[in-house]
Amino acid sequence: GENVEQHPSTLSVQEGDSAVIKCTYSDSASNYFPWYKQELGKRPQLIIDIRSNVGEKKDQRIAVTLNKTAKHFSLHITETQPEDSAVYFCAASPPPSNTGKLIFGQGTTLQVKP
Amino acid sequence: KAGVTQTPRYLIKTRGQQVTLSCSPISGHRSVSWYQQTPGQGLQFLFEYFSETQRNKGNFPGRFSGRQFSNSRSEMNVSTLELGDSALYLCASGEQNTGELFFGEGSRLTVL
Repeated sequence: GENVEQHPSTLSVQEGDSAVIKCTYSDSASNYFPWYKQELGKRPQLIIDIRSNVGEKKDQRIAVTLNKTAKHFSLHITETQPEDSAVYFCAASPPPSNTGKLIFGQGTTLQVKP
Repeated sequence: KAGVTQTPRYLIKTRGQQVTLSCSPISGHRSVSWYQQTPGQGLQFLFEYFSETQRNKGNFPGRFSGRQFSNSRSEMNVSTLELGDSALYLCASGEQNTGELFFGEGSRLTVL
């Protein structure tokens, strides 16, 4: 069935360092890959997304890359700050497009040490 | 624009009871999806409603059901509650053109 694997489950970095979170999806027909940030006790919030016709997307300190052949996508955060500490979830949207069904990874708890 | 509103935010039930949760999506959004979030299973898709019709369904038992009204507000119901149903239930409002999902704060259900 549809599955998204996310690694690592926890990640601790020093402020200013980079952080990378990796995900692999199973359904090759998936075409939309969002990333959500969830702070403790808060709702998941969309931070960046990428579609299957694009290989890379950047937004200030965050970037996402997609390798369709390998069914692999990654989140890159540069110059990390303490406020980046949160749980990050990757997700894949199986077809049909633009529906409310997402398959989520298990999440990565990122800790940025001052 | 107002965000996604879920009620109630917290509730406690006992095994065997049933519960109804409510979600009001962002104005203009016709898609409402429901997710269950637990520490062990993460975020799991329950179902999606679009224009009052169930468009997608996850792998949950029939005790979990939902509906959507003509104003796009949605409710989900869980009958014959089990201890394992304790979770944060998140509602997501979907932007039709892009597929982006906007989550509510969730309803935290505790089953005793």
